[in-house]
This record gives sequence, structure tokens and C-alpha cells, in this order.
Amino acid sequence: GENVEQHPSTLSVQEGDSAVIKCTYSDSASNYFPWYKQELGKRPQLIIDIRSNVGEKKDQRIAVTLNKTAKHFSLHITETQPEDSAVYFCAVEPAGNKLTFGGGTRVLVKP
Amino acid sequence: DAEITQSPRHKITETGRQVTLACHQTWNHNNMFWYRQDLGHGLRLIHYSYGVQDTNKGEVSDGYSVSRSNTEDLPLTLESAASSQTSVYFCASSPGRSEAFFGQGTRLTVV
Repeated sequence: GENVEQHPSTLSVQEGDSAVIKCTYSDSASNYFPWYKQELGKRPQLIIDIRSNVGEKKDQRIAVTLNKTAKHFSLHITETQPEDSAVYFCAVEPAGNKLTFGGGTRVLVKP
Repeated sequence: DAEITQSPRHKITETGRQVTLACHQTWNHNNMFWYRQDLGHGLRLIHYSYGVQDTNKGEVSDGYSVSRSNTEDLPLTLESAASSQTSVYFCASSPGRSEAFFGQGTRLTVV
């Protein structure tokens, strides 16, 4: 089955700095790559996603890049703010529509 | 508005008891998933379904079962609850290769 590795597991940044989280996957047939944010005590919610026919996607301060050849994709958060503090999960969906998650990254933005 | 709901939100049960967690979605999604979330392990897939009468095992399915008799519901049953099954359980639904929507989660404690 699909294997998704996510790094780092924790990330501490100063407010205003950038944060980058990277995920690698194993199934070359995967074609959908979402990122979810989970605030403390809440459910995961989609923040951005990318499909295999696109190399980069941006939405305000967040962006995702995809390298299908190397089988990795990354989440970039610029100008971090305290409300960006949360756990972020990458996920991969191969052709069989089974969503598999990475282990999560706990991001702490220090004011 | 369409939604996905889980019940109960909190449950305490004794070792060896059978427990059923409910998940109900009004998105009319074919794909439904059950995950468990433990500290340090992210979201691990227990069971999933692509439609009525379809069920499949995920990576941590031992001790759990599901049934899908209609589009809206995917109840998760713990046949004989064990302390290792103390966790937060999330149900999700998705149309496939698009945003997955999560329920609020059920915190299960097995004593």
C-alpha cells in the first residue's frame, strides 16, 4: 500500500518567518495531494490541495509544490502568524481513492 | 447544509465490551473512512468503503468491523474493546480525489 513520510515532526518558527513541511510517497500512481490543518481539539480541515497535472499551487500565504518524478511535495507557509500554530497533515490519494496520511507536523509560531 | 456527524462525542467503556461508533453524512459521498488518531501516529486508516455493501480493511483493522447498508452511514464496531483501542476516532467522507470532510471525532476510553 501507499507509504507517506512527513518531515519534520515538529517545527518552531518566529512570527513572520516561513515554514516548510515536506512529504514523500511511494505509489507513483497517486494523483491527488491534499494538506489538512488540525487545531487543538478540532477536526482536520483542508487548507490546500494539488493534483498531479500541476507543479505548484498558491493560495494567499500558503503554497504547495509537487515533484512527481521524485515523489515528494511540500507545504510552504509565508509570513507566519500565531493562528498558523496547529498540526499539519499531508495526504496522498492513489487511483483507488484511499486517502493515506503522513504522520503530521506540529507547527508552533512564536510571537 | 451538508454535514458529517459522529456520535457519541465521548465514550467510556469496559474491556471486553462491544462498542459501536456512529458516523452519518449528508454529502451523498460514496467514499467513507474511519481513522484513529493517537499521539505520535497521526491518522491511521481502520476501514473504508467505496459504496453500499462495500467495505475494506485499512492498515489497523484488527479488532474493528464496519458495515455499509446505505450511503449515509458507516458505523464502526469494536467487537471486544481493549485498552489499546483507547483513542480519538474520526470518520470522513469524500467524493474521491477531492476534499474529504471529517466528523467532530469521538474520544473513546477503554478501562
